Parts: sequence; C-alpha cells; structure tokens
Amino acid sequence: GAVVSQHPSWVICKSGTSVKIECRSLDFQATTMFWYRQFPKQSLMLMATSNEGSKATYEQGVEKDKFLINHASLTLSTLTVTSAHPEDSSFYICSASRQGAREQYFGPGTRLTVT
Amino acid sequence: EDQVTQSPEALRLQEGESSSLNCSYTVSGLRGLFWYRQDPGKGPEFLFTLYSAGEEKEKERLKATLTKKESFLHITAPKPEDSATYLCAVQATIIQGAQKLVFGQGTRLTINP
Repeated sequence: GAVVSQHPSWVICKSGTSVKIECRSLDFQATTMFWYRQFPKQSLMLMATSNEGSKATYEQGVEKDKFLINHASLTLSTLTVTSAHPEDSSFYICSASRQGAREQYFGPGTRLTVT
Repeated sequence: EDQVTQSPEALRLQEGESSSLNCSYTVSGLRGLFWYRQDPGKGPEFLFTLYSAGEEKEKERLKATLTKKESFLHITAPKPEDSATYLCAVQATIIQGAQKLVFGQGTRLTINP
C-alpha cells in the first residue's frame, strides 16, 4: 500500500505558458499532500503543504500566485506553474500522508523543462 | 532552526563491504526521523521511521539506529542494486495538523561489483 502517482512524468513547455501537474494517492486517502522541488544533485525543498478542502500553506520565498495548488479531493492534488520561465525548470515531486500518520509517501516526480 | 547534515556526501564501496551513513540533526523537539532511498530521476522511496533514541529498524541489508543527536544507516554486505542516494529527514513542526520534513543533502552510495 501507499502508492502515489504523478502525471505527467515529464513535460516541456514554452516560456509564458502554464503547466499543470497531478498527484494522486492510489490506495489510500491523503488528508495532506506536499509539493517539493529538487534541483540536480540537491536535496528536496518543500514548496507547500495542502490539506484537502483548504488553502495551501506556502513556504517562505515560494510565490503562491505562480505555483497554484489545489487539493480538491482526498486522492488528488494539482500544482499549476503559471507563466512558466526557464528558471522554473526543475524536478517537481509530490508526497502524501494519511490522517494521523507521520510518514510521507512520494510520487515518482515530474521533470519540467521550460524553453 | 531545524537542520539535518548527512555525511559523507558520496561513498564508494566494493560489493560485500559493509559501512555506515551518518545523519546529524538539530531540531526543536524531534517527532520522527525518516530514511528514504532515491534512485536517479525518481521520487524518494520510504525506508524507515525512527521516533526515539535507542530505536532500531531493519530491512534486508539495511539497519537504521537513532540517538539524541544523530542517526546511522548501516548497510551490511551491500550489493550493486543498493546503489542510490540515501536521504535523511526530520519532522519537528506541526502546521495545521500536518508534519513538515526537513531533508539532509543526501549520501550518494555506489556499490561496485
């Protein structure tokens, strides 16, 4: 159990366009989902935390108007990168946590390249 | 500020050569310490959770231990398929009922056949 999927696994978009990434918990209900970004050979940096049905909590320095997060159901969260620029190119990873549990289970990640 | 430091940054071992990875942490009230394995281009895979000093967990060739200041991931008789980046993370803050993870930089482990 505790399988998390992401779609797409990779995406290339032009500068100025928006991209949506989906994160799904396949075999459990995720009351909380997290979005991370990871640069090459670096560790994971938390971008935001979202609870089902409420607004996401963004980490300091993360633009909430640029990185829109929606957690509409207990199995789905989406991250939309609006007006993407080349510096937004990165590996985006989501994780999900069951209610009351401390472990986070990660998705396989989405490679975003902005040209 | 909560901090996690992993050492070494990279480690090369021969197949069968046992060793340990270190994770030192400073946190205002540890709620849990987590070990993950990450293969290139993939998301982290959950390995262990440790909650209190003295606790140990084992899985195949891996054994994780915890003290009040650090955790060790011992790998016994490793195989090439154990090659990966091993990430340590601590959980120290509850925000709106959720738990943030603070990650270390990871240790890139390479096992040569």
